Amino acid sequence: KNEVEQSPQNLTAQEGEFITINCSYSVGISALHWLQQHPGGGIVSLFMLSSGKKKHGRLIATINIQEKHSSLHITASHPRDSAVYICAGGSNYKLTFGKGTLLTVNP
Amino acid sequence: DTGVSQDPRHKITKRGQNVTFRCDPISEHNRLYWYRQTLGQGPEFLTYFQNEAQLEKSRLLSDRFSAERPKGSFSTLEIQRTEQGDSAMYLCASSPFSFENTEAFFGQGTRLTVV
Repeated sequence: KNEVEQSPQNLTAQEGEFITINCSYSVGISALHWLQQHPGGGIVSLFMLSSGKKKHGRLIATINIQEKHSSLHITASHPRDSAVYICAGGSNYKLTFGKGTLLTVNP
Repeated sequence: DTGVSQDPRHKITKRGQNVTFRCDPISEHNRLYWYRQTLGQGPEFLTYFQNEAQLEKSRLLSDRFSAERPKGSFSTLEIQRTEQGDSAMYLCASSPFSFENTEAFFGQGTRLTVV
């Protein structure tokens, strides 16, 4: 069993919709990272959080340490948000990645 | 451009050949990481350097794989006697501190195709 589980694996939305991607992680992870990967491209870090909530533009990330659960929300989604979103558990030098969520936002 | 740089972006090689990839991290970052990503999967950890010291290697890194960071700046990843199963995206990342305290900065990756 992977230490980091994401859901859903695939998500299709219409432009403007509110989107939520969920991530559950196991013990031994001190911080949760959310990353974005466009097809054929490198990975961009969106957030790193170990408690509470962070917001950047239309993106919001929350974490519940007791429940070992994090969510990434996208408000007013746009076709340019289409990408793979990956959560990863961070501990010292190690990032343990989930398999990613492929988000497609249609106009 | 002061981001993480990887070269080449794409490499096609015949089975059995050796290949070498280069990663130039963000200059202030003393930590450097290599990952491998296959289609539809998240990246898998290969190895980690702090300055020039290779502190951790994954079991995924067989004897055919070797990584160096000779002066604590750029790093190279060499694969000897490539096999078709080595076909993947090889990602390099760097960070100034541990992943408990800082984000990871990734390069664009090197896509390897072994034919």
